[in-house]
Amino acid sequence: GENVEQHPSTLSVQEGDSAVIKCTYSDSASNYFPWYKQELGKRPQLIIDIRSNVGEKKDQRIAVTLNKTAKHFSLHITETQPEDSAVYFCAARGGADGLTFGKGTHLIIQP
Amino acid sequence: DAGVIQSPRHEVTEMGQEVTLRCKPISGHDYLFWYRQTMMRGLELLIYFNNNVPIDDSGMPEDRFSAKMPNASFSTLKIQPSEPRDSAVYFCASRVAGRDEQFFGPGTRLTVL
Repeated sequence: GENVEQHPSTLSVQEGDSAVIKCTYSDSASNYFPWYKQELGKRPQLIIDIRSNVGEKKDQRIAVTLNKTAKHFSLHITETQPEDSAVYFCAARGGADGLTFGKGTHLIIQP
Repeated sequence: DAGVIQSPRHEVTEMGQEVTLRCKPISGHDYLFWYRQTMMRGLELLIYFNNNVPIDDSGMPEDRFSAKMPNASFSTLKIQPSEPRDSAVYFCASRVAGRDEQFFGPGTRLTVL
């Protein structure tokens, strides 16, 4: 089955700086890669996603890049703000319909 | 739409008791997923249904876990008997065929003493 590795587990950045979270996947058949943000005690919420036929996607301060050859994808957050503090999860979906999640990155925005 | 609805939101029970978690997917969604979240193991897919039919239950940890979807608007996840290591947040999610996004419910926080 699919295996998703996510790094780093904790990331602390100064407010206004950029944050990058990286994930790798194992199943070359995977074709959909979402990123979820989860605040303490809340449900995961989709913030951006990308399909395997696209290399990059951007939505305001958030962007995702995908390298199919290397089987890795990354989340980029620019001009970080205090409300960006949360746990971020990457995920991959391959032949099956369920998502395989990374272990999460705790993003801390320092004022 | 109210989104995915789960009940109860919190459940505290004693080891050996039966626990039933409930989920109502978004109306019109064909797929329903059950996930479990723990600090140690993260978010894990337990089972999912397509048009009320279980498709993949390979993530169900043991025979103590069972899930049903008797109709398009209701699913249950049952643990019998429950054990302390079952303590986790259980999320239900749904999506519509042909679309990628899964919508998560608020989760049920289960504590087994």
